[in-house]
Amino acid sequence: KQEVTQIPAALSVPEGENLVLNCSFTDSAIYNLQWFRQDPGKGLTSLLLIQSSQREQTSGRLNASLDKSSGRSTLYIAASQPGDSATYLCAVSPTMTTDSWGKLQFGAGTQVVVTP
Amino acid sequence: DTEVTQTPKHLVMGMTNKKSLKCEQHMGHRAMYWYKQKAKKPPELMFVYSYEKLSINESVPSRFSPECPNSSLLNLHLHALQPEDSALYLCASSPIGGWTEAFFGQGTRLTVV
Repeated sequence: KQEVTQIPAALSVPEGENLVLNCSFTDSAIYNLQWFRQDPGKGLTSLLLIQSSQREQTSGRLNASLDKSSGRSTLYIAASQPGDSATYLCAVSPTMTTDSWGKLQFGAGTQVVVTP
Repeated sequence: DTEVTQTPKHLVMGMTNKKSLKCEQHMGHRAMYWYKQKAKKPPELMFVYSYEKLSINESVPSRFSPECPNSSLLNLHLHALQPEDSALYLCASSPIGGWTEAFFGQGTRLTVV
């Protein structure tokens, strides 16, 4: 059974510092991995999607890497800002089988606070 | 437009009430999902619809009844809920299935009293 872990559970950094968020998964048979942002009491905003064949994906100040063989992904946020304060979740999609279709498996998230 | 719209944003209902949550997307996505999220926990999958047909039911109690009347609309009918069903209910959609980018709505905060 796939298990997705995010460490640390919480992180506080001063503004301007780079953020490094980790996501690990136990079963390397994934189709893709997606990073989301969630503000308190709100829905999920998709940040980046990495296909299993890719090593990294970039969008603005965000860069996500994927090492499928070791079961790890890292989200880097450059030059953090107070507006980056949120919970960040990673989720993996399993490879294509009838039983697993559509089942995103989420990590518990990393709660980030960026202080001015 | 990458928007998934959920209504209502907040809902308070009694244990004997019947209510419905609504989700709408106009991105042409043919897969739609309901997730439940308790405080400080990750979202948990409840139902998956593919081409308007229910393809996954994650052993959800029958007091939750999903419906997909067309390719843009997803409903979740609620009846005789329990206080422990209080949670954030999230709707999501994705292009062709669970292996492409999923887009989530802002959720409905449900409180059962």
